[in-house]
Amino acid sequence: GESVGLHLPTLSVQEGDNSIINCAYSNSASDYFIWYKQESGKGPQFIIDIRSNMDKRQGQRVTVLLNKTVKHLSLQIAATQPGDSAVYFCAEYRGGADGLTFGKGTHLIIQP
Amino acid sequence: DTEVTQTPKHLVMGMTNKKSLKCEQHMGHRAMYWYKQKAKKPPELMFVYSYEKLSINESVPSRFSPECPNSSLLNLHLHALQPEDSALYLCASSWTDSGNTIYFGEGSWLTVV
Repeated sequence: GESVGLHLPTLSVQEGDNSIINCAYSNSASDYFIWYKQESGKGPQFIIDIRSNMDKRQGQRVTVLLNKTVKHLSLQIAATQPGDSAVYFCAEYRGGADGLTFGKGTHLIIQP
Repeated sequence: DTEVTQTPKHLVMGMTNKKSLKCEQHMGHRAMYWYKQKAKKPPELMFVYSYEKLSINESVPSRFSPECPNSSLLNLHLHALQPEDSALYLCASSWTDSGNTIYFGEGSWLTVV
């Protein structure tokens, strides 16, 4: 797999490798986090979410990890495929009646 | 596939025009949202409706006027826009406005000329 620094705009991985996309959130009161995938010309698509009472959650080929101590969120994609190419956004819910606040996004590029 | 439907997909309007963007969801969600997204940027919240009442207006200029006719519909009325308002406008919905997954439509691409 490949680990990247925070808020890197682009991550390039080989097809079949694991991808790790990182995100830092700003508000320690945030209690709900979502990862979205946005393909070119489309709206954001829900991938996976996690609440602040959890450290890890797994879906199909995706895992989200939450480290509340350092306010860090990561998305792991196993066996990356060409269809995974997109911009990935983390988003945090700060509680109350606010909508989501999005991170800057990471463009995942899959190399054959 | 998203169950939030937005029309039109593309809109070109002049600075003196009046137009509307429309959004519809039939998931029974009681919170609906408008976001604005510029190229290569994350979506930014504009408005939140909760149970058909406007609960959040993120200091959006008055040339953008939201309307929620019923729990399934959300409109965004546009008047006297500026070229810098050109963007992707995203509608979204969730069960309530507190800590539920927000589902997005495919967006309406707006170009102001």
